Amino acid sequence: ETGVTQSPTHLIKTRGQQVTLRCSSQSGHNTVSWYQQALGQGPQFIFQYYREEENGRGNFPPRFSGLQFPNYSSELNVNALELDDSALYLCASSRTSGGGNEQFFGPGTRLTVL
Amino acid sequence: AQSVTQLGSHVSVSEGALVLLRCNYSSSVPPYLFWYVQYPNQGLQLLLKYTSAATLVKGINGFEAEFKKSETSFHLTKPSAHMSDAAEYFCAVSRSGPHSSNTGKLIFGQGTTLQVKP
Repeated sequence: ETGVTQSPTHLIKTRGQQVTLRCSSQSGHNTVSWYQQALGQGPQFIFQYYREEENGRGNFPPRFSGLQFPNYSSELNVNALELDDSALYLCASSRTSGGGNEQFFGPGTRLTVL
Repeated sequence: AQSVTQLGSHVSVSEGALVLLRCNYSSSVPPYLFWYVQYPNQGLQLLLKYTSAATLVKGINGFEAEFKKSETSFHLTKPSAHMSDAAEYFCAVSRSGPHSSNTGKLIFGQGTTLQVKP
């Protein structure tokens, strides 16, 4: 059983650019959640995708957007990058949406915005 | 609204000593509670979770946690620390129940860095 994978591992961008991060969910999982983890902080919920639809969003501006594909893999897109977007972006998949379902995390993508 | 407070951003113990990492939560509905561990440059790994069954929850690597509703706490313990336990630990809460807006999103605390001294 393949776990959650994310690509790329590291990324360096400049302010104003756009970035796309990718996540492959674990086999049998139809739900993907994205989290942002700033240095020294706990992860913060960005949004969740369930069966290809956005299913809940945290306190992040619209320039953070996403997609989920029929195979349940997912993308996180960030437009007009700001310095404060520098963080570890974590993707987590679960069998389905809803509380109590274990979320399996990928290793993350480290984004640096200069 | 839900929130988590982890008391102590850094905890240092000697190898073989008791590990106690503190977590208090706030939730307007019965919560689900989780402890995750994060090793450097890695994602999060679930140690254990409370989902309204037994209040004493046993997890991996010898860790356990007790849900105390009266104290709104979910502290993580391990009787004897090992050098390999050195890592960042996160307590998290999510909403229970079949509410239509219940995504199961996790709300994390700030984390506690555990240092284990030889």
